Amino acid sequence: GAVVSQHPSWVICKSGTSVKIECRSLDFQATTMFWYRQFPKQSLMLMATSNEGSKATYEQGVEKDKFLINHASLTLSTLTVTSAHPEDSSFYICSAREDTPGHQPQHFGDGTRLSIL
Amino acid sequence: GDSVTQMEGPVTLSEEAFLTINCTYTATGYPSLFWYVQYPGEGLQLLLKATKADDKGSNKGFEATYRKETTSFHLEKGSVQVSDSAVYFCALSDRTGGFKTIFGAGTRLFVKA
Repeated sequence: GAVVSQHPSWVICKSGTSVKIECRSLDFQATTMFWYRQFPKQSLMLMATSNEGSKATYEQGVEKDKFLINHASLTLSTLTVTSAHPEDSSFYICSAREDTPGHQPQHFGDGTRLSIL
Repeated sequence: GDSVTQMEGPVTLSEEAFLTINCTYTATGYPSLFWYVQYPGEGLQLLLKATKADDKGSNKGFEATYRKETTSFHLEKGSVQVSDSAVYFCALSDRTGGFKTIFGAGTRLFVKA
């Protein structure tokens, strides 16, 4: 079945550094990918919709300059958390939607646990 | 905008008990409905889906029926196991919303042996 690979699965870094998270669709093309954030024991909050070859669409309240999204190919989207601070610590999950007609469920990556010291 | 409301947890059951997790939705269009499961420390897995009214999604003994008249998609299982302990998310995806998935708050299920 369709697989989405997310890397890294876990990262710890110092405050002020930038962290890049990759989301790859391994066996299908995905013009559209999504980035979510999940706080402990809470639901997933959509941060942005990543569109191949164009700018991402950010949800209200999400800082575009803080969370940079690049969707340079049909199988790869990246999320860069710039100048990360402890409040950015969270579980980040990406998903990808297959470029096929009809209403397909999204395929989710396994998530990236980000800890900023 | 679109939204999903599901029953608050945690839900604690004994093994072999009957499970129901309620889910209702509001949507401007005609959404597809999903249940996802998240095991501790892991990402999300699609459990089942339904794309039109009266469709029944089923998987691993779990079932949910798309009820347009009551805008509901309740999750049921006849006999839960300890291994079913996880967080369950009800979700919808709508063409008019650009296919982005809207999640409910999640319901944590604990099953005791």
